[in-house]
Amino acid sequence: QSVLTQPSSASGTPGQRVTISCSGSSSNIGSNTVNWYQQLPGTAPKLLIYSNNQRPSGVPDRFSGSKSGTSASLAISGLQSEDEADYYCAAWDDSLNGVVFGGGTKLTVV
Amino acid sequence: EVQLVESGGGLVKPGGSLRLSCAASGFTFSSYNMNWVRQAPGKGLEWVSSISSSSSYIFYADSVKGRFTISRDNAKNSLYLQMNSLRAEDTAVYYCARAIGILFSSSYYFDYWGQGTLVTVSS
Repeated sequence: QSVLTQPSSASGTPGQRVTISCSGSSSNIGSNTVNWYQQLPGTAPKLLIYSNNQRPSGVPDRFSGSKSGTSASLAISGLQSEDEADYYCAAWDDSLNGVVFGGGTKLTVV
Repeated sequence: EVQLVESGGGLVKPGGSLRLSCAASGFTFSSYNMNWVRQAPGKGLEWVSSISSSSSYIFYADSVKGRFTISRDNAKNSLYLQMNSLRAEDTAVYYCARAIGILFSSSYYFDYWGQGTLVTVSS
Protein backbone atom coordinates (compact mmCIF):
# COMPACT_ATOMS: atom_id res chain seq x y z
CA GLN A 1 0.00 0.00 0.00
CA SER A 2 1.63 3.23 -1.17
CA VAL A 3 1.55 6.37 0.97
CA LEU A 4 0.50 8.47 -2.04
CA THR A 5 -2.56 7.32 -3.95
CA GLN A 6 -2.73 7.29 -7.74
CA PRO A 7 -5.13 5.57 -10.14
CA SER A 8 -3.56 2.35 -11.39
CA SER A 9 -4.36 3.12 -15.00
CA ALA A 10 -5.37 5.89 -17.37
CA SER A 11 -5.92 6.05 -21.09
CA GLY A 12 -6.52 8.48 -23.92
CA THR A 13 -6.45 8.83 -27.65
CA PRO A 14 -3.78 10.71 -29.62
CA GLY A 15 -4.23 14.45 -29.28
CA GLN A 16 -6.40 14.16 -26.18
CA ARG A 17 -5.70 15.68 -22.75
CA VAL A 18 -5.40 13.34 -19.77
CA THR A 19 -4.83 13.99 -16.10
CA ILE A 20 -3.41 11.75 -13.41
CA SER A 21 -4.20 12.47 -9.78
CA CYS A 22 -2.06 11.95 -6.69
CA SER A 23 -3.50 12.13 -3.21
CA GLY A 24 -1.50 12.38 -0.01
CA SER A 25 -1.66 13.92 3.45
CA SER A 26 -0.51 16.88 5.48
CA SER A 27 2.86 15.28 6.20
CA ASN A 28 3.82 14.88 2.55
CA ILE A 29 1.97 16.72 -0.23
CA GLY A 30 0.35 19.10 2.23
CA SER A 31 3.69 20.48 3.39
CA ASN A 32 6.18 19.63 0.64
CA THR A 33 6.46 19.92 -3.10
CA VAL A 34 5.40 17.18 -5.50
CA ASN A 35 7.53 15.63 -8.20
CA TRP A 36 6.55 13.40 -11.08
CA TYR A 37 8.59 10.71 -12.79
CA GLN A 38 8.03 9.01 -16.12
CA GLN A 39 9.18 5.42 -16.65
CA LEU A 40 9.10 4.19 -20.21
CA PRO A 41 8.91 0.41 -20.64
CA GLY A 42 12.18 -1.29 -19.72
CA THR A 43 13.97 1.90 -18.72
CA ALA A 44 14.93 3.79 -15.58
CA PRO A 45 12.63 6.50 -14.25
CA LYS A 46 13.11 10.02 -15.54
CA LEU A 47 12.27 13.31 -13.82
CA LEU A 48 9.24 14.84 -15.53
CA ILE A 49 7.97 17.59 -13.19
CA TYR A 50 9.62 18.97 -10.04
CA SER A 51 8.53 21.44 -7.36
CA ASN A 52 4.85 20.94 -8.25
CA ASN A 53 4.91 22.53 -11.67
CA GLN A 54 8.44 22.98 -13.00
CA ARG A 55 9.68 21.18 -16.10
CA PRO A 56 13.32 20.13 -16.45
CA SER A 57 15.06 21.19 -19.61
CA GLY A 58 13.98 18.99 -22.51
CA VAL A 59 10.55 18.06 -21.16
CA PRO A 60 7.85 19.25 -23.60
CA ASP A 61 5.38 21.85 -22.37
CA ARG A 62 2.61 19.33 -23.07
CA PHE A 63 3.39 18.10 -19.56
CA SER A 64 2.22 20.22 -16.64
CA GLY A 65 1.79 19.77 -12.91
CA SER A 66 -0.32 21.36 -10.23
CA LYS A 67 -0.93 21.02 -6.51
CA SER A 68 -3.74 22.00 -4.20
CA GLY A 69 -3.78 21.15 -0.51
CA THR A 70 -2.93 17.49 -0.11
CA SER A 71 -3.48 16.55 -3.75
CA ALA A 72 -1.58 17.01 -6.98
CA SER A 73 -2.20 16.38 -10.66
CA LEU A 74 -0.19 15.70 -13.77
CA ALA A 75 -1.73 16.81 -17.06
CA ILE A 76 -0.62 15.68 -20.48
CA SER A 77 -2.05 17.54 -23.44
CA GLY A 78 -1.76 16.61 -27.11
CA LEU A 79 -1.29 12.97 -26.12
CA GLN A 80 1.24 11.05 -28.23
CA SER A 81 1.94 7.34 -28.57
CA GLU A 82 5.38 7.83 -27.05
CA ASP A 83 3.73 9.04 -23.84
CA GLU A 84 2.75 5.44 -23.05
CA ALA A 85 4.57 4.86 -19.78
CA ASP A 86 4.21 4.52 -16.04
CA TYR A 87 3.92 7.79 -14.12
CA TYR A 88 4.80 8.19 -10.44
CA CYS A 89 4.22 11.06 -8.06
CA ALA A 90 6.55 11.54 -5.11
CA ALA A 91 7.18 13.88 -2.19
CA TRP A 92 9.21 14.11 0.99
CA ASP A 93 7.27 12.92 4.04
CA ASP A 94 7.98 14.78 7.29
CA SER A 95 6.60 12.00 9.49
CA LEU A 96 8.49 9.17 7.82
CA ASN A 97 11.64 11.23 7.16
CA GLY A 98 11.88 9.88 3.68
CA VAL A 99 10.56 10.08 0.14
CA VAL A 100 7.18 8.53 -0.54
CA PHE A 101 5.95 7.46 -3.96
CA GLY A 102 2.55 6.84 -5.42
CA GLY A 103 1.81 3.36 -6.66
CA GLY A 104 2.17 4.47 -10.27
CA THR A 105 -0.27 5.03 -13.11
CA LYS A 106 0.05 3.08 -16.33
CA LEU A 107 -0.91 5.36 -19.21
CA THR A 108 -2.16 3.73 -22.39
CA VAL A 109 -2.56 5.64 -25.63
CA VAL A 110 -5.28 3.83 -27.55
CA GLU B 1 27.29 14.36 -18.95
CA VAL B 2 25.96 13.02 -15.65
CA GLN B 3 26.34 9.26 -15.38
CA LEU B 4 25.39 6.88 -12.60
CA VAL B 5 26.36 3.24 -13.05
CA GLU B 6 25.22 0.64 -10.53
CA SER B 7 26.88 -2.72 -10.03
CA GLY B 8 26.99 -5.58 -7.55
CA GLY B 9 23.57 -7.11 -8.08
CA GLY B 10 23.01 -10.83 -8.40
CA LEU B 11 21.43 -13.92 -6.92
CA VAL B 12 21.73 -14.39 -3.15
CA LYS B 13 20.12 -16.79 -0.70
CA PRO B 14 17.73 -15.57 2.01
CA GLY B 15 19.72 -14.35 4.98
CA GLY B 16 22.69 -13.53 2.77
CA SER B 17 24.47 -10.26 2.08
CA LEU B 18 25.28 -8.17 -0.96
CA ARG B 19 27.00 -4.83 -1.52
CA LEU B 20 25.83 -2.55 -4.29
CA SER B 21 27.98 0.19 -5.76
CA CYS B 22 27.14 3.25 -7.82
CA ALA B 23 29.91 4.96 -9.78
CA ALA B 24 29.20 8.62 -10.47
CA SER B 25 30.74 10.85 -13.12
CA GLY B 26 30.08 14.10 -14.94
CA PHE B 27 29.36 16.19 -11.83
CA THR B 28 30.86 17.17 -8.48
CA PHE B 29 29.76 14.10 -6.53
CA SER B 30 30.67 15.53 -3.13
CA SER B 31 28.16 18.37 -3.57
CA TYR B 32 25.04 16.23 -3.90
CA ASN B 33 22.83 14.12 -1.67
CA MET B 34 22.49 10.60 -3.04
CA ASN B 35 19.82 7.94 -2.81
CA TRP B 36 18.82 4.36 -3.46
CA VAL B 37 15.37 3.56 -4.87
CA ARG B 38 14.17 0.05 -5.69
CA GLN B 39 11.51 -1.52 -7.85
CA ALA B 40 10.28 -5.07 -7.30
CA PRO B 41 9.41 -6.99 -10.49
CA GLY B 42 6.19 -5.59 -11.95
CA LYS B 43 5.75 -3.21 -9.01
CA GLY B 44 6.15 0.48 -8.30
CA LEU B 45 9.04 2.56 -7.03
CA GLU B 46 10.08 2.39 -3.38
CA TRP B 47 12.54 4.77 -1.76
CA VAL B 48 15.20 2.86 0.19
CA SER B 49 17.74 5.30 1.63
CA SER B 50 19.29 8.75 1.37
CA ILE B 51 22.66 10.13 2.41
CA SER B 52 23.72 13.76 2.56
CA SER B 53 26.70 15.08 0.64
CA SER B 54 29.06 14.84 3.63
CA SER B 55 27.42 11.71 5.10
CA SER B 56 26.19 13.75 8.06
CA TYR B 57 22.58 12.76 7.55
CA ILE B 58 21.30 9.31 6.65
CA PHE B 59 17.73 8.06 6.37
CA TYR B 60 16.24 4.64 5.70
CA ALA B 61 12.85 3.25 4.82
CA ASP B 62 11.37 1.25 7.68
CA SER B 63 11.42 -1.85 5.48
CA VAL B 64 15.24 -1.92 5.41
CA LYS B 65 16.19 -0.16 8.66
CA GLY B 66 18.66 -2.21 10.66
CA ARG B 67 19.54 -4.44 7.70
CA PHE B 68 20.84 -2.03 5.03
CA THR B 69 23.62 0.53 5.34
CA ILE B 70 24.16 3.37 2.91
CA SER B 71 27.58 4.98 2.58
CA ARG B 72 29.64 7.01 0.17
CA ASP B 73 33.26 7.70 -0.70
CA ASN B 74 33.54 11.20 -2.12
CA ALA B 75 37.18 10.64 -3.06
CA LYS B 76 36.11 7.74 -5.27
CA ASN B 77 32.86 9.34 -6.51
CA SER B 78 31.00 6.28 -5.32
CA LEU B 79 27.83 5.42 -3.44
CA TYR B 80 27.27 2.08 -1.71
CA LEU B 81 24.48 0.01 -0.24
CA GLN B 82 25.42 -2.82 2.09
CA MET B 83 22.50 -5.21 2.31
CA ASN B 84 22.42 -7.82 5.07
CA SER B 85 19.83 -10.36 6.22
CA LEU B 86 18.27 -10.29 2.78
CA ARG B 87 14.70 -11.47 2.33
CA ALA B 88 12.71 -12.58 -0.69
CA GLU B 89 10.82 -9.28 -0.57
CA ASP B 90 14.09 -7.41 -1.18
CA THR B 91 14.15 -8.80 -4.72
CA ALA B 92 14.14 -5.74 -6.97
CA VAL B 93 16.03 -3.56 -9.37
CA TYR B 94 18.01 -1.08 -7.28
CA TYR B 95 18.52 2.38 -8.72
CA CYS B 96 21.06 4.96 -7.64
CA ALA B 97 19.69 8.51 -7.94
CA ARG B 98 21.13 11.98 -7.51
CA ALA B 99 19.02 14.42 -5.55
CA ILE B 100 18.41 18.12 -5.79
CA GLY B 101 17.42 19.83 -2.55
CA ILE B 102 18.23 19.59 1.10
CA LEU B 103 17.30 16.46 3.00
CA PHE B 104 14.07 16.83 4.98
CA SER B 105 13.30 20.08 3.22
CA SER B 106 10.12 20.90 1.37
CA SER B 107 11.71 20.39 -2.05
CA TYR B 108 13.70 17.21 -2.66
CA TYR B 109 13.73 15.33 -5.92
CA PHE B 110 15.79 12.95 -8.05
CA ASP B 111 17.11 14.53 -11.22
CA TYR B 112 19.34 11.73 -12.50
CA TRP B 113 18.96 7.97 -12.20
CA GLY B 114 21.24 5.06 -13.03
CA GLN B 115 20.12 2.12 -15.16
CA GLY B 116 19.68 -0.12 -12.11
CA THR B 117 21.09 -3.43 -10.90
CA LEU B 118 18.94 -6.49 -10.22
CA VAL B 119 19.05 -8.19 -6.84
CA THR B 120 17.33 -11.56 -6.58
CA VAL B 121 16.90 -13.19 -3.19
CA SER B 122 15.98 -16.84 -3.59
CA SER B 123 17.01 -20.25 -2.35
